[in-house]
Amino acid sequence: QEQLVESGGGVVQPGRSLRLSCAASGFSFNYYAIHWVRQAPGKGLEWVAVISYDGTMKYYADSVKGRCTISRDNSKNTLFLQMNSLRSEDTAVYYCARGDNVVGATPSFDYWGQGTLVTVSS
Amino acid sequence: QSALTQPASVSGSPGQSITISCTGTSGDVGSYDYVSWLQHHPGKVPKLMIYDVTKRPSGVSNRFSGSKSGNTATLTISGLQAEDEADYYCNSYTSSSTWVFGGGTKLTVL
Repeated sequence: QEQLVESGGGVVQPGRSLRLSCAASGFSFNYYAIHWVRQAPGKGLEWVAVISYDGTMKYYADSVKGRCTISRDNSKNTLFLQMNSLRSEDTAVYYCARGDNVVGATPSFDYWGQGTLVTVSS
Repeated sequence: QSALTQPASVSGSPGQSITISCTGTSGDVGSYDYVSWLQHHPGKVPKLMIYDVTKRPSGVSNRFSGSKSGNTATLTISGLQAEDEADYYCNSYTSSSTWVFGGGTKLTVL
């Protein structure tokens, strides 16, 4: 069945970088857009970024634009989020979530990973 | 990219119906039928309950329904059950090709 597994979280100092990964299985990864969504402690869900099925289109939330880069390797069924110049407000659980498929025939946010915790602290 | 506006909390008794509103702008909810609702039990993974304003994914109870009028979308849960107690988030596609969530609504089943 469809599965998304995030990794790469941890404790990082302010100003440093971190790269998150999301490994997909159980579906044709290269046919689907994929999102990153985060949830800070005690806060709600915040959309972070999306990448198209072929990696040609990428969109970001204003809160991370210029500091984060979303990318994917369809040969390895893996999504990435490179986060630079990290701030305390980036502390959150980061989820990857499946987007719609190449023909738009399936809903976005139908499958989610378990999340990986990023803590930005000195 | 302002968050969609949801009430912080709603409550209802078992068997009752409740509604949760989600107010956006003409740049998101008002212009696109790509409004979703997600249920999130703390410590668990968010679950898609409604997509494209009114559609239910396979396996989601028909007690959950969605609608939209203008810039406001609404989630209705009928026949409230104890297991419905959770946080609920709306989500919409925007004119900037981005997505935006609501602030979340905590549903308490009395």
